[in-house]
Amino acid sequence: DGGITQSPKYLFRKEGQNVTLSCEQNLNHDAMYWYRQDPGQGLRLIYYSQIVNDFQKGDIAEGYSVSREKKESFPLTVTSAQKNPTAFYLCASSGRAKVLTQYFGPGTRLTVL
Amino acid sequence: LAKTTQPISMDSYEGQEVNITCSHNNIATNDYITWYQQFPSQGPRFIIQGYKTKVTNEVASLFIPADRKSSTLSLPRVSLSDTAVYYCLGRRGTYKYIFGTGTRLKVLA
Repeated sequence: DGGITQSPKYLFRKEGQNVTLSCEQNLNHDAMYWYRQDPGQGLRLIYYSQIVNDFQKGDIAEGYSVSREKKESFPLTVTSAQKNPTAFYLCASSGRAKVLTQYFGPGTRLTVL
Repeated sequence: LAKTTQPISMDSYEGQEVNITCSHNNIATNDYITWYQQFPSQGPRFIIQGYKTKVTNEVASLFIPADRKSSTLSLPRVSLSDTAVYYCLGRRGTYKYIFGTGTRLKVLA
């Protein structure tokens, strides 16, 4: 069953702690993305990766870090430098076709206590 | 596509046809127009995509005029389960997509 998985679905962390969100895809897609969504808002791009071992900052990369060591995995670390990390985090992937349709995971809701 | 503009919200009744228009004045020659649907606490779901004229699939139609500066998503005979946020996507560069605030569609019984 092909798709994108994100874990965990809900995550709680204490202020000052780093936390890593998992994203795995078995669609054989080259590109992967991380978005942040705040209540009532659209999605904002944090980081994206076009290929293994390469990634670029999106519009709101400060306080976040990523790695892309394997094609199927693109974990996101929310660091203590992120001042307002409570949000809904979405991972997506797309192929290298001319038409870049993105497929999304179910999301992880992060709450900072 | 760059920045897109669409209505913030719309209300409709069950069984009606709903049309949501998106303005994308800066569309690039090779850009496709893509629409997504999102339910609360879920990831966006691809609905439809097109380049010009009209595209239809099992859930929606997409109308694109000749100048391609706007597009209209048409949902036939909506039901309560179509209540969601609908996004018309912009794009900046090859891999950077831009999601605006979307259109919140509320379907009433």
